Amino acid sequence: QAQLVESGGGDVQPGRSLRLSCVASGFIFSRNGMHWVRQAPGKGLEWVAMIWYDGSKKYYADSAKGRFTISRDNSKNTMFLQMNSLRVEDTAVYYCARDDCSRTSCLGHWGQGTLVTVSS
Amino acid sequence: QSVLTQPPSVSAAPGQKVTISCSGSSSNIGNNYVSWYQQLPGTAPKLLIYEDNKRPSAIPDRFSGSKSGASATLGITGLQTGDEADYYCGAWDSSLSAYVFGTGTKVSVL
Repeated sequence: QAQLVESGGGDVQPGRSLRLSCVASGFIFSRNGMHWVRQAPGKGLEWVAMIWYDGSKKYYADSAKGRFTISRDNSKNTMFLQMNSLRVEDTAVYYCARDDCSRTSCLGHWGQGTLVTVSS
Repeated sequence: QSVLTQPPSVSAAPGQKVTISCSGSSSNIGNNYVSWYQQLPGTAPKLLIYEDNKRPSAIPDRFSGSKSGASATLGITGLQTGDEADYYCGAWDSSLSAYVFGTGTKVSVL
């Protein structure tokens, strides 16, 4: 049974940094691409970033480019999202999700999310 | 950056059918597969449909997906109170090199 567990969320002041983690279990982590998706309070889903199964390619939403870095450690079944220069508008629940489609992206398994609140 | 457009809400009585549209462009829906996600209140999203019209094994056949050109549609038949949720379409956008979600549709069972 595939499981994804996010951690690292919390309250942080604007301009500070935070690193989120997503620990995977129940499947061979190194075989799947992985995503970060966020959802601001009362808003829709916003895709943040994606990393290939081997970490060789990374993609970012415009809102994340230059501030966020996605990475993974396949030896530890863990994905990360380093978030720098945080803004109030980055306040959201951050989900990690496993990419389950080989021909295109589809987010087949999701974690329960971790809340990031950016406020002074 | 919601480049996929959905109606804000749809509703129907129990047992009836609803359809949700998702309008995009040639850089996303028109040339890439579409997925659909269900988000029940207070929970993480769940994959309902992938590759335009395929269902994961645990998803009942009351849920269906279709696509024509740069638009996709999710259908829900035999509507149940447990189907009340937000529904999102999603697709890879080749021009943006990014995954994009739709604006989301709230389904209400009258």
